[in-house]
Amino acid sequence: AQKITQTQPGMFVQEKEAVTLDCTYDTSDPSYGLFWYKQPSSGEMIFLIYQGSYDQQNATEGRYSLNFQKARKSANLVISASQLGDSAMYFCAMREGLDSGGGADGLTFGKGTHLIIQP
Amino acid sequence: GAGVSQSPSNKVTEKGKDVELRCDPISGHTALYWYRQSLGQGLEFLIYFQGNSAPDKSGLPSDRFSAERTGGSVSTLTIQRTQQEDSAVYLCASSLVRGGDTQYFGPGTRLTVL
Repeated sequence: AQKITQTQPGMFVQEKEAVTLDCTYDTSDPSYGLFWYKQPSSGEMIFLIYQGSYDQQNATEGRYSLNFQKARKSANLVISASQLGDSAMYFCAMREGLDSGGGADGLTFGKGTHLIIQP
Repeated sequence: GAGVSQSPSNKVTEKGKDVELRCDPISGHTALYWYRQSLGQGLEFLIYFQGNSAPDKSGLPSDRFSAERTGGSVSTLTIQRTQQEDSAVYLCASSLVRGGDTQYFGPGTRLTVL
């Protein structure tokens, strides 16, 4: 089974609208972190937002917020007031075993969502 | 401060040749990671270093791949006897320490094996 599932291969959104990018994850580890990265056509992976499994509040960073529903194992990214510059690939990623300090230290990525903002 | 840098940005090589990819992490970051991004496989984690040590090399695709890190800073990913399936973008990331710290990525090296 995939550990990170992003069900939207592509999305078209009108400028200034809010966008929700879906991400579900699969882990039995109680201690994990969830990340969202943006990859524009230039190729660089840009960190957007982080949510820890023990965090009580949903993470927010400027126009980005993470809708964390732990029981549903869902970590959707919400972009408010979308801009043309938001057009990019968006990746959800997870890191497990944070309590143990060991285990897999690399991030497990989903396949990404290609977001296109239209004027 | 400077971000993660990688060199070369592009590398074209012939099948069977060896290549070296370099990563210079953010100053002060003790953890360093290598990933590979290809159309078919998406983003794959290859290896990480804590300091100069790589405790787990099982993510490397084959024994043609090796990596080292010296002085707790620069890392080199070496691919010997390159094959066409090695063509991909190789991304390096660094973080302050392990655990939940955010990984910051470099611009990548695009490797094309002819």
